[in-house]
Amino acid sequence: GAGVSQSPRYKVAKRGQDVALRCDPISGHVSLFWYQQALGQGPEFLTYFQNEAQLDKSGLPSDRFFAERPEGSVSTLKIQRTQQEDSAVYLCASSLTRLDEQFFGPGTRLTVL
Amino acid sequence: AQSVAQPEDQVNVAEGNPLTVKCTYSVSGNPYLFWYVQYPNRGLQFLLKYITGDNLVKGSYGFEAEFNKSQTSFHLKKPSALVSDSALYFCAVRDKAAGNKLTFGGGTRVLVKP
Repeated sequence: GAGVSQSPRYKVAKRGQDVALRCDPISGHVSLFWYQQALGQGPEFLTYFQNEAQLDKSGLPSDRFFAERPEGSVSTLKIQRTQQEDSAVYLCASSLTRLDEQFFGPGTRLTVL
Repeated sequence: AQSVAQPEDQVNVAEGNPLTVKCTYSVSGNPYLFWYVQYPNRGLQFLLKYITGDNLVKGSYGFEAEFNKSQTSFHLKKPSALVSDSALYFCAVRDKAAGNKLTFGGGTRVLVKP
C-alpha cells in the first residue's frame, strides 16, 4: 500500500520567504509527527498530532513555525520568514496509534539562501 | 529527559562478517526502543522495536537487537552483513512519561566492504 508522502521533495527559498511543506500520512493513521533533520544528525521532534488535535508542539524552534492538520489527515508545516538556520530535511511520520511504530516519508529538503 | 547515545560514528565490516551497531539510552520510565535505517535521499525505514517481553527482538532484513536493562543498551546485530546493508542507522527511544515523541541518537554509518 501507499506509504507516507511529502511534497515538495526539494524547496529552495530566499531568506525571509514563507514556505509550506505538505505531508500525506498513511490512510487511517491517527498519529502524525514532524521532525527536523539537520545534516549529519539524527531527526529532532517538532510536533505531534492525534487526529486534528495538536497535542505536543514543544519541539517547534520558534513562533515562525506553525503546523496544522485540520481534517485529521493531511498536514502542513509552515515556516514564516525563513532563516538560513532553517535549512534541513523535514520528515513527516505517521502511526496507526500513538503507541505503534512510526512510518516516515522521504522528507522535504529545505535550503534557505 | 530521555536521550540516546550511539557511540560510533561509523562501523566498517567485511561482507559475511557479523555486524553490531551500539546504542545506549536514558529514560525515566520503561523504554520503548526502535531501530531505523536511512538510505541516501530517502526517509527512515523501520527495522524493529522493543516494547516488552523477550530481550532479543527480531526484525526486518535479518536484523535483531538485544535489550539489556541493566546496561541500558539496545544494540543492533546481524549475523552476516551484506554490502546492501551499507546505510545510516538510527536508534530511538520513546518514554511514555515524555509523551509520544521519538528521541533519536546521532546515527551510525555502516560500511560493508565486499
